Amino acid sequence: DAGVIQSPRHEVTEMGQEVTLRCKPISGHDYLFWYRQTMMRGLELLIYFNNNVPIDDSGMPEDRFSAKMPNASFSTLKIQPSEPRDSAVYFCASTHLLRPEQFFGPGTRLTVL
Amino acid sequence: GQQLNQSPQSMFIQEGEDVSMNCTSSSIFNTWLWYKQDPGEGPVLLIALYKAGELTSNGRLTAQFGITRKDSFLNISASIPSDVGIYFCAGQAEETGANNLFFGTGTRLTVIP
Repeated sequence: DAGVIQSPRHEVTEMGQEVTLRCKPISGHDYLFWYRQTMMRGLELLIYFNNNVPIDDSGMPEDRFSAKMPNASFSTLKIQPSEPRDSAVYFCASTHLLRPEQFFGPGTRLTVL
Repeated sequence: GQQLNQSPQSMFIQEGEDVSMNCTSSSIFNTWLWYKQDPGEGPVLLIALYKAGELTSNGRLTAQFGITRKDSFLNISASIPSDVGIYFCAGQAEETGANNLFFGTGTRLTVIP
């Protein structure tokens, strides 16, 4: 079975550019999470969805960040405009209702110059 | 917010040695999970624990859900070079429930052949 799929795996962009990260959760999972990982702050939850509806976006750092889940098999995390401090690894994870175990994708390493 | 203290932060051990790491929380958890992250990859679930006192093994890995429900331990026996990576504890707090996970700061393990 395919796991969580993320694209691109690496993204290098210049400050001010728009960045879109993509995620395909495991088929049948109804929860989807976006995390950011940095050396300084570790793994931070940005936002999560249940049945395509955003449930908690309190971790989204600021208005430059937005996330959508138009259907059960696709989600995007967009940063516009990007800044150097957004450089991090962004992970998507998914799980079933009532199951605490989350399954992570391979991540997108974002570098903003 | 929820605090998960994971220790040690890093370990350097000789191949063949046993490893112990632990995680403590400031409140009661319903579930404890242990993940391993290899360089350039996402965290991979190793062991899940669902009730106080539970002891679960996965090959050379053994984890325990503390009786107080505020801590968990992971042991690795007879370490090998491929055990190198970052180990994260994660838990589902009783007070927040749902599918939120709180993550520890990680233990970076280096195995010297």
